Amino acid sequence: DAMVIQNPRYQVTQFGKPVTLSCSQTLNHNVMYWYQQKSSQAPKLLFHYYDKDFNNEADTPDNFQSRRPNTSFCFLDIRSPGLGDAAMYLCATSFSLGSKNIQYFGAGTRLSVL
Amino acid sequence: TQLLEQSPQFLSIQEGENLTVYCNSSSVFSSLQWYRQEPGEGPVLLVTVVTGGEVKKLKRLTFQFGDARKDSSLHITAAQPGDTGLYLCAGAMKTSYDKVIFGPGTSLSVIP
Repeated sequence: DAMVIQNPRYQVTQFGKPVTLSCSQTLNHNVMYWYQQKSSQAPKLLFHYYDKDFNNEADTPDNFQSRRPNTSFCFLDIRSPGLGDAAMYLCATSFSLGSKNIQYFGAGTRLSVL
Repeated sequence: TQLLEQSPQFLSIQEGENLTVYCNSSSVFSSLQWYRQEPGEGPVLLVTVVTGGEVKKLKRLTFQFGDARKDSSLHITAAQPGDTGLYLCAGAMKTSYDKVIFGPGTSLSVIP
């Protein structure tokens, strides 16, 4: 059974039209991540929540926002999608303990911008 | 600069051949993970290695963590078409437990 669930799997939006991607987890992990991945490249970290603490990467555009209303859910908001934002968006979770950081990924949401 | 390199970047082989993928860095990692990602899907965790020199086997896949915990290798024996995918290594560092660094990936294609 999927433990990190992303919805929808495919999302089509129009240039400049706000879009929200969702992620839920059944692992009770304290850390949740959002990554952007473009064709056959490594995932690029956008931001992550350590419990309720939000940690933004320095090069993440302001156009990308996130919310984590509770332990299980995390949302990625793209306020004004541009053509360059078309990508696979991956949610991951981990239980941060000591020196290990094992991340579990959802199946991803493929975003298309028309 | 924290950087993980992977080689080769692309690999196309015939079914039944053996292959090795390398993951290298100048940094020391407290743990390192290998993932396989199929097109249109999220990365799936294959293994975590923690101890320098550690060797783990997963059916036809053998993973090794370097003695100095700066590098790792993935060896596949008798590759099958189902092994096709993007192989990613990701390292966790002591200075930042809640993040990992991803390598650029090795795209493997196994031809029947």
